[in-house]
Amino acid sequence: QKEVEQNSGPLSVPEGAIASLNCTYSDRVSQSFFWYRQYSGKSPELIMSIYSNGDKEDGRFTAQLNKASQYVSLLIRDSQPSDSATYLCAAISSGSARQLTFGSGTQLTVLP
Amino acid sequence: EAGVVQSPRYKIIEKKQPVAFWCNPISGHNTLYWYRQNLGQGPELLIRYENEEAVDDSQLPKDRFSAERLKGVDSTLKIQPAELGDSAVYLCASSKTNSGRGYEQYFGPGTRLTVT
Repeated sequence: QKEVEQNSGPLSVPEGAIASLNCTYSDRVSQSFFWYRQYSGKSPELIMSIYSNGDKEDGRFTAQLNKASQYVSLLIRDSQPSDSATYLCAAISSGSARQLTFGSGTQLTVLP
Repeated sequence: EAGVVQSPRYKIIEKKQPVAFWCNPISGHNTLYWYRQNLGQGPELLIRYENEEAVDDSQLPKDRFSAERLKGVDSTLKIQPAELGDSAVYLCASSKTNSGRGYEQYFGPGTRLTVT
């Protein structure tokens, strides 16, 4: 069983809508969670990190963490075509500090 | 602040040939990682360095892969001999220990390796 699971999509939303990306993790001891954006042919770019239960907002992005449910999500408000990319969820595993375990990514397309 | 630098960006080699990738991390970042990313998958860790020391290389195929980080800055990842299944993007990332930012890792542009 993969440690970090994401819906592979593809997910399509119209421009201006809210895009909701979800992720679950299996390691209950994981403490740090990250969202990376990866454009086609490019490397992952860190866009959000979250360490505590609740919401964390940064511009149009909101990360949500629920450790009891082992669930992390990323909301993108007012989605733009430039947000079209693959979004990778990652968690620091308990077995090896700083070893990021990635999900397979969710492909998001924002339709003009 | 300059980002993680990697070279080459692309490499095409025939199977059984050797290949090497180079990485220069963000200045001041003492932790360096090598990842491999296959198409449609997330990156998978190959090796992690804390300064000069390789502290996690459990995922590195040691029969053909080797890495070094002399002087705790630049790093080189080598494959010898390459196999068809090694075709992937090789990513280098770095982070700053005890930065208070939960081990945030920043990636370089990657090297796309094609083995024919």
